[in-house]
Amino acid sequence: ILNVEQSPQSLHVQEGDSTNFTCSFPSSNFYALHWYRWETAKSPEALFVMTLNGDEKKKGRISATLNTKEGYSYLYIKGSQPEDSATYLCAPTKGTGANNLFFGTGTRLTVIP
Amino acid sequence: DSGVTQTPKHLITATGQRVTLRCSPRSGDLSVYWYQQSLDQGLQFLIQYYNGEERAKGNILERFSAQQFPDLHSELNLSSLELGDSALYFCASSDTPGGGTEAFFGQGTRLTVV
Repeated sequence: ILNVEQSPQSLHVQEGDSTNFTCSFPSSNFYALHWYRWETAKSPEALFVMTLNGDEKKKGRISATLNTKEGYSYLYIKGSQPEDSATYLCAPTKGTGANNLFFGTGTRLTVIP
Repeated sequence: DSGVTQTPKHLITATGQRVTLRCSPRSGDLSVYWYQQSLDQGLQFLIQYYNGEERAKGNILERFSAQQFPDLHSELNLSSLELGDSALYFCASSDTPGGGTEAFFGQGTRLTVV
């Protein structure tokens, strides 16, 4: 079982605000870090899969950075919109054997119009 | 549409019974993951199969078992069901065994044990 921590657990922001949250994971034997967006009553959808230390990925107003040496990743949302309201999950993988796609409990984001 | 199909969508059964949940992965994906989401809980990893072989195991109860068939579809068998097994069960698939590429999730099977 991997110790994956996401913070904060929940977050309320006003429409137009920018926000960010954190995923912390064990840095040993790191292979890849996944970010998923999970809207209520739907299934999780992949945002990013990151593998390289220092990697930065972007999709529209959402971006993510990765630090594999210290074991953390940040997800940023610029100019939050109500449709960004969802739970954002991260999952590290070790690539081999156990503990693949072991999700954290997520950060629940609510964007207030 | 993720390309991952789970059946049935909903299932209501009594305590002590046995059910089978089915997952058809995206075309070409060899890896299948099963997750359980209980009320107000996150996604709990149960088990992963890759090309018919068990690849990784999470907190899967002994009453639960899974397999992946030669056509790559997977089944999750839940037996001696208890009220606490009521949950949303997700299946996800990916094309690699080690989690280096994104996983695609099905819509889930909602199991209610009464």
